[in-house]
Amino acid sequence: DSGVTQTPKHLITATGQRVTLRCSPRSGDLSVYWYQQSLDQGLQFLIQYYNGEERAKGNILERFSAQQFPDLHSELNLSSLELGDSALYFCASSPEGAGNTIYFGEGSWLTVV
Amino acid sequence: SQQGEEDPQALSIQEGENATMNCSYKTSINNLQWYRQNSGRGLVHLILIRSNEREKHSGRLRVTLDTSKKSSSLLITASRAADTASYFCAPNQAGTALIFGKGTTLSVSS
Repeated sequence: DSGVTQTPKHLITATGQRVTLRCSPRSGDLSVYWYQQSLDQGLQFLIQYYNGEERAKGNILERFSAQQFPDLHSELNLSSLELGDSALYFCASSPEGAGNTIYFGEGSWLTVV
Repeated sequence: SQQGEEDPQALSIQEGENATMNCSYKTSINNLQWYRQNSGRGLVHLILIRSNEREKHSGRLRVTLDTSKKSSSLLITASRAADTASYFCAPNQAGTALIFGKGTTLSVSS
């Protein structure tokens, strides 16, 4: 158990809908990262937050947004969902900024039908 | 940020054999990390080697780093069926997020 908690574990939704994925980092970790893993794209870095502020942006679509709250939990919002958004979404956390070991949650499986 | 490129893409061995996988990267790094992912699960950190280190051991794992060649290798000795997983390297520059490549899929059969 990495200490990173993600909910929901599984989610099935229709195209055009919006979903929110939630992540609770390890106790004391200030950085939260979001990754998307699909068969065709591999493991893609989406975005990083550090202590509530956006720190780095990767291949995150404009239809996706994220935030980190004062209690350090984070949410990834996915809107206008398309079939191609079906993937495993991981949250990871680390104690400080980038460059350190990061700890992954077990992921949220999103299926868009 | 930069991503590492793992080689081979897939590796099949018998239990008890050693498994070696390689990682190449393009620019200078602060450290390089290896992670394992069991099917459908979150990645698990295995080992971190700093740019001024050449070799590091952790149990049955041995990692080497050659900064002049911009490459690293992960050796798993005496492989077990439980080592079946995908392995990813993440070359890391200061202050940047970890970017992962496609990984090496290791299958260990008994």
